[in-house]
Amino acid sequence: QKEVEQNSGPLSVPEGAIASLNCTYSDRGSQSFFWYRQYSGKSPELIMSIYSNGDKEDGRFTAQLNKASQYVSLLIRDSQPSDSATYLCAVKPPAGGTSYGKLTFGQGTILTVHP
Amino acid sequence: SAVISQKPSRDICQRGTSLTIQCQVDSQVTMMFWYRQQPGQSLTLIATANQGSEATYESGFVIDKFPISRPNLTFSTLTVSNMSPEDSSIYLCSVVQGGIYGQFFGPGTRLTVL
Repeated sequence: QKEVEQNSGPLSVPEGAIASLNCTYSDRGSQSFFWYRQYSGKSPELIMSIYSNGDKEDGRFTAQLNKASQYVSLLIRDSQPSDSATYLCAVKPPAGGTSYGKLTFGQGTILTVHP
Repeated sequence: SAVISQKPSRDICQRGTSLTIQCQVDSQVTMMFWYRQQPGQSLTLIATANQGSEATYESGFVIDKFPISRPNLTFSTLTVSNMSPEDSSIYLCSVVQGGIYGQFFGPGTRLTVL
């Protein structure tokens, strides 16, 4: 089982729709969760972080975390063609030992928003 | 957030040679990391660059192949040694800054080995 799993997609949604991106993780002790957006040919850009169960909203983006189910998601409302990118889920392992500061990335979900 | 630059942005190298990639940050950061992203793949952590001591390498990566330096809190280098075409990839440095536990990435170095 991979440590962080995402559906690789591609996920295609029409402009104006809600895009839902999902991620599961295996280490139940993980505490911090991040979503990155990566445009083709560019480096990953941090767009959301979430640490507690529930929802966290930032503009058109909402991150959702359910630690009991080991599940984190990203919702993009009113999707725009400019949202077309690869979205990477990243999980920070429990604190301690040599894992401090490290992130484990999922394989990414390709999102295409079509006009 | 920190401004991160990498040099070179891209390079084409011959098999058997070595390339050193530089990562410069505009402010002091607590942690720096080096990643590899092969075509169509996600990010794989190569090592944690430790200031003033040897880097900490992930499974599958060794110092002889990927020597790393970090002489201060704003700068690090990654060398890809004795390159083969399998080393063709994007190499990224990232930093953790302040209380933000996510990482911020440099623009990357696109390496092609012929």
